Amino acid sequence: LAKTTQPISMDSYEGQEVNITCSHNNIATNDYITWYQQFPSQGPRFIIQGYKTKVTNEVASLFIPADRKSSTLSLPRVSLSDTAVYYCLVAGGYQLTFGKGTKLSVIP
Amino acid sequence: KAGVTQTPRYLIKTRGQQVTLSCSPISGHRSVSWYQQTPGQGLQFLFEYFSETQRNKGNFPGRFSGRQFSNSRSEMNVSTLELGDSALYLCASSSTTGGETQYFGPGTRLLVL
Repeated sequence: LAKTTQPISMDSYEGQEVNITCSHNNIATNDYITWYQQFPSQGPRFIIQGYKTKVTNEVASLFIPADRKSSTLSLPRVSLSDTAVYYCLVAGGYQLTFGKGTKLSVIP
Repeated sequence: KAGVTQTPRYLIKTRGQQVTLSCSPISGHRSVSWYQQTPGQGLQFLFEYFSETQRNKGNFPGRFSGRQFSNSRSEMNVSTLELGDSALYLCASSSTTGGETQYFGPGTRLLVL
């Protein structure tokens, strides 16, 4: 299973764009990159998933370079409600291995 | 479509007791995975069931067991509870086995005294 490394925490002001980068040097050919968001005492919530290049949905964008050894989750114009822990996962097998995640704090 | 539901939401037990947690996946989903979340260890995979068969198991002692029924509902059992078993237990469902997108329930908060 590919191991992921993310910053432990990040702070951002409301209205700014936030980019959280995750490194996954040992990603396998059939692995997808998935990001989850978790609020305290709740289960993680799927945000976005990609394999290569760029993926965009209504809440975020995911940028994946050609070598796929890293990925960047981009949250446009964050609000206070985006304060949460964000997990980057690399999976192609049966289980999801969660790292420590990045605690994002949005400041008014 | 209704999301993943878990019961009970909160539970208090004492050391040595056993506990059974229940998870109902999203309708049509056949894969159910269980995770344990603690402040110190983070989210850790327990096991996954697909079509009533355990497909994969994490690194937990045999006190942790599970099963899945024909309607895809799953139960997790922990016997001989220890203080360290206090955690948030999360269930996630997916339409297929493997690294597909998983949808998590709200979790069951277990406190062992």
